[in-house]
Amino acid sequence: QKEVEQNSGPLSVPEGAIASLNCTYSDRGSQSFFWYRQYSGKSPELIMFIYSNGDKEDGRFTAQLNKASQYVSLLIRDSQPSDSATYLCAVNMFGSGNTGKLIFGQGTTLQVKP
Amino acid sequence: DTGVSQNPRHKITKRGQNVTFRCDPISEHNRLYWYRQTLGQGPEFLTYFQNEAQLEKSRLLSDRFSAERPKGSFSTLEIQRTEQGDSAMYLCASSLEQGARAFFGQGTRLTVV
Repeated sequence: QKEVEQNSGPLSVPEGAIASLNCTYSDRGSQSFFWYRQYSGKSPELIMFIYSNGDKEDGRFTAQLNKASQYVSLLIRDSQPSDSATYLCAVNMFGSGNTGKLIFGQGTTLQVKP
Repeated sequence: DTGVSQNPRHKITKRGQNVTFRCDPISEHNRLYWYRQTLGQGPEFLTYFQNEAQLEKSRLLSDRFSAERPKGSFSTLEIQRTEQGDSAMYLCASSLEQGARAFFGQGTRLTVV
């Protein structure tokens, strides 16, 4: 079992729809969760972070965390073609000690069709 | 805040040559990380510095790889005797504290021919 798992996709949604991206993690003690967006050939860009159970909203983005079920999700409302990218889920696992290193999923490719 | 800066952006080298990459973190960030990313995969952790101390190295980091962060400022990652399997994007990130947001540089894309 991978430590952080994502469906590689591609996930295809029409422009204006809600895109839902999911991620599961193995370490129950994990504390910090991050979503990065990565355009082809570019480096990851942090778009959301969440530390507590529940929802966190920032503009068109909502991160959802459920520690009991060990999953974190990202919702993108009113999807735009410019949202087409790979979305990486990253977890700061409890087992990583004090380093703060991130364990990444393989990423989900999102395609928003005009 | 000028962000994390990495140089060079691209490097093409012949197998067997040594290469060195540089990372300048966000100035107030005391934590610095190196990751490696290959096509279709998420970044994989290589090593971590807190100030000038290298506190963790991944098993991915063979003895051909060495990293330094003198004086707790910029960091360098050197790969000796490069192999084709070293071809990847090398990413540097910095953060202020454990669990805090980590910001990535533009990356250095290494191609070993």
